[in-house]
Amino acid sequence: AQSVTQLGSHVSVSEGALVLLRCNYSSSVPPYLFWYVQYPNQGLQLLLKYTSAATLVKGINGFEAEFKKSETSFHLTKPSAHMSDAAEYFCAVTWGYSSASKIIFGSGTRLSIRP
Amino acid sequence: EAQVTQNPRYLITVTGKKLTVTCSQNMNHEYMSWYRQDPGLGLRQIYYSMNVEVTDKGDVPEGYKVSRKEKRNFPLILESPSPNQTSLYFCASSLKAGQAFFGQGTRLTVV
Repeated sequence: AQSVTQLGSHVSVSEGALVLLRCNYSSSVPPYLFWYVQYPNQGLQLLLKYTSAATLVKGINGFEAEFKKSETSFHLTKPSAHMSDAAEYFCAVTWGYSSASKIIFGSGTRLSIRP
Repeated sequence: EAQVTQNPRYLITVTGKKLTVTCSQNMNHEYMSWYRQDPGLGLRQIYYSMNVEVTDKGDVPEGYKVSRKEKRNFPLILESPSPNQTSLYFCASSLKAGQAFFGQGTRLTVV
């Protein structure tokens, strides 16, 4: 079955340190990949998306993610963490490009930033 | 401003008392869906709608109903809520695959 796995339900980094949130998918067919961010008491917002163009994708707030087909991964990174990055991050995949294509979400990774 | 609006944001109810959570979008999207978010489980799809009068079950539809009489509205109905439906609920609409716009969420507690 198609699935998406986020390694680590909670990641804690120091302010200014590298942020790395991991996401792997299981499928023989390359999917469309997304990262969403959820700030406290808010809904999810699209952070960035991969739709088969450039494999390195830049998103909002300095985040980027790289699609690696050989590793079936789409890890999210940011060179220098800010306190405002504290949130929950969800990796999501879909295998069609119509609006009705089912989105499968990972279980989420809560990012904490230490002063 | 493009948005998805859910009401109420917070709701405490008793077992068996019917309730409706409303959802409205102003982006003219055809596709709308409902999710529930539970710790450690991420978001699971309850129901979705591809257009007016077209709805279908998602991964966890038991105990829920939906309707889509107008393009902008997609209410979630719990006919007889039970404590295992205590959760955080999100409505979403989308134009392109995977690029969903989410509401602010409704935190439901069933006692």
